[in-house]
Amino acid sequence: DTAVSQTPKYLVTQMGNDKSIKCEQNLGHDTMYWYKQDSKKFLKIMFSYNNKELIINETVPNRFSPKSPDKAHLNLHINSLELGDSAVYFCASSQSGASTDTQYFGPGTRLTVL
Amino acid sequence: DQQVKQNSPSLSVQEGRISILNCDYTNSMFDYFLWYKKYPAEGPTFLISISSIKDKNEDGRFTVFLNKSAKHLSLHIVPSQPGDSAVYFCAASLGNFNKFYFGSGTKLNVKP
Repeated sequence: DTAVSQTPKYLVTQMGNDKSIKCEQNLGHDTMYWYKQDSKKFLKIMFSYNNKELIINETVPNRFSPKSPDKAHLNLHINSLELGDSAVYFCASSQSGASTDTQYFGPGTRLTVL
Repeated sequence: DQQVKQNSPSLSVQEGRISILNCDYTNSMFDYFLWYKKYPAEGPTFLISISSIKDKNEDGRFTVFLNKSAKHLSLHIVPSQPGDSAVYFCAASLGNFNKFYFGSGTKLNVKP
């Protein structure tokens, strides 16, 4: 019974394509996040949503668009994929979004752009 | 301009000994710090945290030390066990809306 799940786990695609990564949490949390782990292994916040409302939007190209249909789901859509988008993308959730809340991470989606 | 740095990409320790993982940060406004542990093909899982008003927090075999003047954080694992072998990330937040800055991780290998 996975708390935070992501699909797909692996995604290989060509440059220029559009793809989506889905994330679901069954913890009843109000806040969800997307992180990107780059080639240097740093985990960087991309977006966070609280109760379907965008809270954090880092300097991410506007080819990346998060969508939260309800507070249990936060999907990431990427248009016109580029080579530099290759990375591992992690979804996470936390209870309320307070800085002392523990974040629970999904298993990651490894995106490879050819 | 990474604000949280883990300068040791890897660490190897004998079972039963102490593991010390280090983390440095640049922003003196960080007020909350965490360590996460990550196994291959899994997401990071929370391990231990510390508020900037403290200098030490202990949870079983895990202790986190904070030296604010040096902007340095360390995680001690005593005694180390083979199951502790994983990548450890430190993270820091500014106390605003749960935005964490992560280091690049240290891969710990505990040898039996």
